[in-house]
Amino acid sequence: KAGVTQTPRYLIKTRGQQVTLSCSPISGHRSVSWYQQTPGQGLQFLFEYFSETQRNKGNFPGRFSGRQFSNSRSEMNVSTLELGDSALYLCASSIRGGAGELFFGEGSRLTVL
Amino acid sequence: KNEVEQSPQNLTAQEGEFITINCSYSVGISALHWLQQHPGGGIVSLFMLSSGKKKHGRLIATINIQEKHSSLHITASHPRDSAVYICAPGAGSYQLTFGKGTKLSVIP
Repeated sequence: KAGVTQTPRYLIKTRGQQVTLSCSPISGHRSVSWYQQTPGQGLQFLFEYFSETQRNKGNFPGRFSGRQFSNSRSEMNVSTLELGDSALYLCASSIRGGAGELFFGEGSRLTVL
Repeated sequence: KNEVEQSPQNLTAQEGEFITINCSYSVGISALHWLQQHPGGGIVSLFMLSSGKKKHGRLIATINIQEKHSSLHITASHPRDSAVYICAPGAGSYQLTFGKGTKLSVIP
């Protein structure tokens, strides 16, 4: 059974650009959640999607957005990149929303120059 | 005050030692996750618990909802247990609040 797949694994952008990250959950999992990890702030919750609906959003500016498709794949987008957006972005999937074991992807490491 | 406090922040142990990592939280939760992160970033979920105690191999996790406290124990520690362990209480829909993590190094 394939795990959670995140693409791309590494990327470099410059300030002001935008970026789209992709997350393919484990087959059959309908919940996808996104997290940001930085050395200063640690891990922080971004948002969670279940059956194409965003159910919760963390304390991030509107530049951070996401969506989920009917096949449960999810994307997150960051517009007008800032240096502070440099981070490891992790997604996790779960078979059901709200509870249950989380399965994490390897993450997408974004560097903003 | 941080909503999630983990202790210790760093821990060095000799192979075979019994290890305890503590987590105290102030947020209301529906469940608490213990996560393991190896160098390079990959995260593995070790436990999700909302009451009592769970055991998986050499790992044991306990939670006291009334006292808002959870512990992760590792029996007979091994160098492969070296990693960062993160406590993450959640209020539902995976809106987790994360501890800063405990960096564990197990020396042969």
